[in-house]
Amino acid sequence: AQSVTQLDSQVPVFEEAPVELRCNYSSSVSVYLFWYVQYPNQGLQLLLKYLSGSTLVKGINGFEAEFNKSQTSFHLRKPSVHISDTAEYFCAVTRRGSTLGRLYFGRGTQLTVWP
Amino acid sequence: DSGVTQTPKHLITATGQRVTLRCSPRSGDLSVYWYQQSLDQGLQFLIQYYNGEERAKGNILERFSAQQFPDLHSELNLSSLELGDSALYFCASSPNRGGPQTEAFFGQGTRLTVV
Repeated sequence: AQSVTQLDSQVPVFEEAPVELRCNYSSSVSVYLFWYVQYPNQGLQLLLKYLSGSTLVKGINGFEAEFNKSQTSFHLRKPSVHISDTAEYFCAVTRRGSTLGRLYFGRGTQLTVWP
Repeated sequence: DSGVTQTPKHLITATGQRVTLRCSPRSGDLSVYWYQQSLDQGLQFLIQYYNGEERAKGNILERFSAQQFPDLHSELNLSSLELGDSALYFCASSPNRGGPQTEAFFGQGTRLTVV
């Protein structure tokens, strides 16, 4: 089975500061990795995904994440955040070769950007 | 807008009752996935249907059941409701069985409150 740990439940930052949201996963098999964002009263939106190839993945809204197999991590970063980035962020994993709809999610990190 | 429609958006009901949540997938999508988001358990995969057939089952209680109809919409039935069933229920859809290269798109969810 796969599991995901998001190390911070809340991350407050000031506008234009850099941010890193941490995600570690546990799996006995190779996996695909994802980051989703959930804005208030909205559904989940895919930010980026790692399937294969380059370990640095660029997503929407200026976010990027780096897959580190040795550390089983997939941390999300943005060099300069905006107030509009305030949302909950979920890291997710699924077994390589599996359906991308059947995801195992972390508990989420609430990113709050202050002016 | 992901193209996935869930109704109703909000539902309040009493313990012991039964409710039905409805999901219309994106046009042309054959797979539907149901997820439950609760404070206790986080985001958990419940069940997947592909073209009318159950394809994968996750942490779905026996009191819960789902089906996918010939027009591809899906319903999640929750019975003998308990306070702990209060949660946000998400539906997602993807074009096919949800193979490795296929992303699932999420609806905005149905918030169920059991009182």
